[in-house]
Amino acid sequence: TQLLEQSPQFLSIQEGENLTVYCNSSSVFSSLQWYRQEPGEGPVLLVTVVTGGEVKKLKRLTFQFGDARKDSSLHITAAQPGDTGLYLCAGAKNPGGSYIPTFGRGTSLIVHP
Amino acid sequence: KAGVTQTPRYLIKTRGQQVTLSCSPISGHRSVSWYQQTPGQGLQFLFEYFSETQRNKGNFPGRFSGRQFSNSRSEMNVSTLELGDSALYLCASSPNSGRPDTEAFFGQGTRLTVV
Repeated sequence: TQLLEQSPQFLSIQEGENLTVYCNSSSVFSSLQWYRQEPGEGPVLLVTVVTGGEVKKLKRLTFQFGDARKDSSLHITAAQPGDTGLYLCAGAKNPGGSYIPTFGRGTSLIVHP
Repeated sequence: KAGVTQTPRYLIKTRGQQVTLSCSPISGHRSVSWYQQTPGQGLQFLFEYFSETQRNKGNFPGRFSGRQFSNSRSEMNVSTLELGDSALYLCASSPNSGRPDTEAFFGQGTRLTVV
């Protein structure tokens, strides 16, 4: 059973379209992070949200943490081919004094020119 | 500032063999975590080391083990390899993991293929 469910699993869109990726769980997390991974590379952190209801914007990307800190969404406005990649959400809990992120399976995004 | 370095990048091993993967964290980072990434299961946490001590462990069999040296470099070992161990193994380092907003810096990974 996956602790964090991401949807959709795959997304193929045209340049200029908007999209939203979802990350849902029945567990409460201390923080929620979004990473992007390109082929042949490790994931790179995009944003961390820690407060329920928090909204963060990073250029064309908008991230939201649910009020109950169980879910999050990533919205991309006017997608570009450079946004292509695997988007991973990761929820962190605090076992034994350290915050270890639990990752969802990811959303694979392809943006066609 | 050099990033996280993992060696080797690619490995092909035979069932039943063992393998050792290496990770050099960013200078000054004391926490090193290991993950297994497969298309079916995604990124799964293996274990975390901090100051040479294993602080957390994921739900993997005892064939998977690791260690951390005094310079924070880390190795993970998989014994008696199985076909299902074929995966991308990622190492991530962070200054410490005592904060909820801790950023994990990932290496490029080691692609292990078991035949």
